[in-house]
Amino acid sequence: NAGVTQTPKFRVLKTGQSMTLLCAQDMNHEYMYWYRQDPGMGLRLIHYSVGEGTTAKGEVPDGYNVSRLKKQNFLLGLESAAPSQTSVYFCASSSTVGLASYNEQFFGPGTRLTVL
Amino acid sequence: QQQVKQSPQSLIVQKGGISIINCAYENTAFDYFPWYQQFPGKGPALLIAIRPDVSEKKEGRFTISFNKSAKQFSLHIMDSQPGDSATYFCAASIYQLIWGAGTKLIIKP
Repeated sequence: NAGVTQTPKFRVLKTGQSMTLLCAQDMNHEYMYWYRQDPGMGLRLIHYSVGEGTTAKGEVPDGYNVSRLKKQNFLLGLESAAPSQTSVYFCASSSTVGLASYNEQFFGPGTRLTVL
Repeated sequence: QQQVKQSPQSLIVQKGGISIINCAYENTAFDYFPWYQQFPGKGPALLIAIRPDVSEKKEGRFTISFNKSAKQFSLHIMDSQPGDSATYFCAASIYQLIWGAGTKLIIKP
């Protein structure tokens, strides 16, 4: 039972390059989330998904796209990376037992992305 | 109105002391208040949580105090240990979690 895993752990991009971050969970969770974490700003929600085939925008969605083709996977894409997207990216998942807002979010180990 | 304000930004406490981290919110519709703990190089993990119908919740050395009228809640860590050194995030939820900015806690041996 690996929980939430993220690939890759580190990545350096040049401005304008594209990349995809992969998140996988083996807990059969319906809800999945992508956050970015910047110093002094806590965690900010980029996009989230309430189930396979559905996605929604969070607080800071601009410059990112997501897809949830399989229940266990949630992909975050950067089409044209910018230095402002240098951050640590976390994926999380949660179940839907009871009210979703009460449910514990389980986080992956993060991806440290640097855009030069 | 969606913000959660967390203080202090950083905190140094002697081993055995009490660590206190405070959070304030504006939106009275928030109905769930968790605290997450994050160690360097790891993702956050749920530490303890409270709902607004209780004023205090205790789990081992960790206690949440909740003041609904003041719209404030705080985390108290009793008998703080070096292993408690981490970044702590408060959050508030209505459908989605709104996160505080985090407090870096260092426990000096």
